[in-house]
Amino acid sequence: AQTVTQSQPEMSVQEAETVTLSCTYDTSESDYYLFWYKQPPSRQMILVIRQEAYKQQNATENRFSVNFQKAAKSFSLKISDSQLGDAAMYFCAYRSYNTDKLIFGTGTRLQVFP
Amino acid sequence: DVKVTQSSRYLVKRTGEKVFLECVQDMDHENMFWYRQDPGLGLRLIYFSYDVKMKEKGDIPEGYSVSREKKERFSLILESASTNQTSMYLCASSLFPGVDSYNEQFFGPGTRLTVL
Repeated sequence: AQTVTQSQPEMSVQEAETVTLSCTYDTSESDYYLFWYKQPPSRQMILVIRQEAYKQQNATENRFSVNFQKAAKSFSLKISDSQLGDAAMYFCAYRSYNTDKLIFGTGTRLQVFP
Repeated sequence: DVKVTQSSRYLVKRTGEKVFLECVQDMDHENMFWYRQDPGLGLRLIYFSYDVKMKEKGDIPEGYSVSREKKERFSLILESASTNQTSMYLCASSLFPGVDSYNEQFFGPGTRLTVL
């Protein structure tokens, strides 16, 4: 069975600085999808960024980028120029190629200080 | 924009009560999901449905059942609520695979259920 591990329960960053959230996963599959979701306080969970395993190029969405290391089974999220609105719980998630079900990590709470 | 709504943001029930949590999506998505979110445990899948009247157990289905009579609506039922079911419940929906390879899940705002 696949597992997703987020080893940082909490992280903090100064506004305008860069922070990296870590995520590792365990799988024997070669085709899969990886996601980072953001859950702001008292607000809906939204997708931040996604990556397909066969694509070697790291995904980027504005200030958000990933470092996808397939051999190391690592999928870290980098947030550049952090803003107060980035404060949230961040969840890493895995989806097998042939299923609709997501497997989530335990989450990282990110605090952003002015 | 996809909109997933849940019937209540906060709910307080007593042990032994039958509890219904309702979820509605407005984008004609085939798949719908119920998750439970607990601190330190992340999101765990309770049940999901890939079509009307179709359902599949997730990782923690014990103590729960679901109903999907219409495509847009997916209900989570706690037959006899217990204190260990106090949690945040999240509903999500997604398209059928093949339309979008990533098959992104869209989430509702959550229902924080307290069982006394």
